[in-house]
Amino acid sequence: AQKITQTQPGMFVQEKEAVTLDCTYDTSDQSYGLFWYKQPSSGEMIFLIYQGSYDEQNATEGRYSLNFQKARKSANLVISASQLGDSAMYFCAMREVRSRNTGTASKLTFGTGTRLQVTL
Amino acid sequence: DTAVSQTPKYLVTQMGNDKSIKCEQNLGHDTMYWYKQDSKKFLKIMFSYNNKELIINETVPNRFSPKSPDKAHLNLHINSLELGDSAVYFCASSLRWTSGTDTQYFGPGTRLTVL
Repeated sequence: AQKITQTQPGMFVQEKEAVTLDCTYDTSDQSYGLFWYKQPSSGEMIFLIYQGSYDEQNATEGRYSLNFQKARKSANLVISASQLGDSAMYFCAMREVRSRNTGTASKLTFGTGTRLQVTL
Repeated sequence: DTAVSQTPKYLVTQMGNDKSIKCEQNLGHDTMYWYKQDSKKFLKIMFSYNNKELIINETVPNRFSPKSPDKAHLNLHINSLELGDSAVYFCASSLRWTSGTDTQYFGPGTRLTVL
């Protein structure tokens, strides 16, 4: 079974600084995908960034980048130039594919999340 | 132009009642999901449907019955509600598992409170 570990329950960062949110994973699959989602206090789940297991380059999306170290099984999220609006829960997730006789679908296994607080 | 929508946003009900949550996506996706987020913010998949067919059922009690009338809708019916069912329920959708990232896009969530 797949497992996602986020060891930082809470993090603080000053505005305009960079911050790294840790994520390690465990899987026996050769092909997998890693995602980061943001959940602000309003409650919605916002997709931030994706990294495929075969991607050779680290993924980047604006101020978000993913530090993917396959041998260490880590997929840390780096947020550069933090803003007050970045204060939220951040979830790391891994995609797993499952099949049955009626078809195939993905599922996401989530970590426990990291609450990021950006301060002035 | 909401991509994944859920109704209602809030649901407060008494123990033992039956309730439904509706989900609709207008993204043209093949796959839809239900996730449960507990009071500690832990998110766990409940069901996954592909083209109206149930693919994933993660040991959810039989009191929970999803129904997919078409690819764009996935409803969740809960019988005999219990206190432990109180949570936020998220619907999500994705294109299909063969579609590269197969990114899942989430609805706004339904906060269910069982009294």
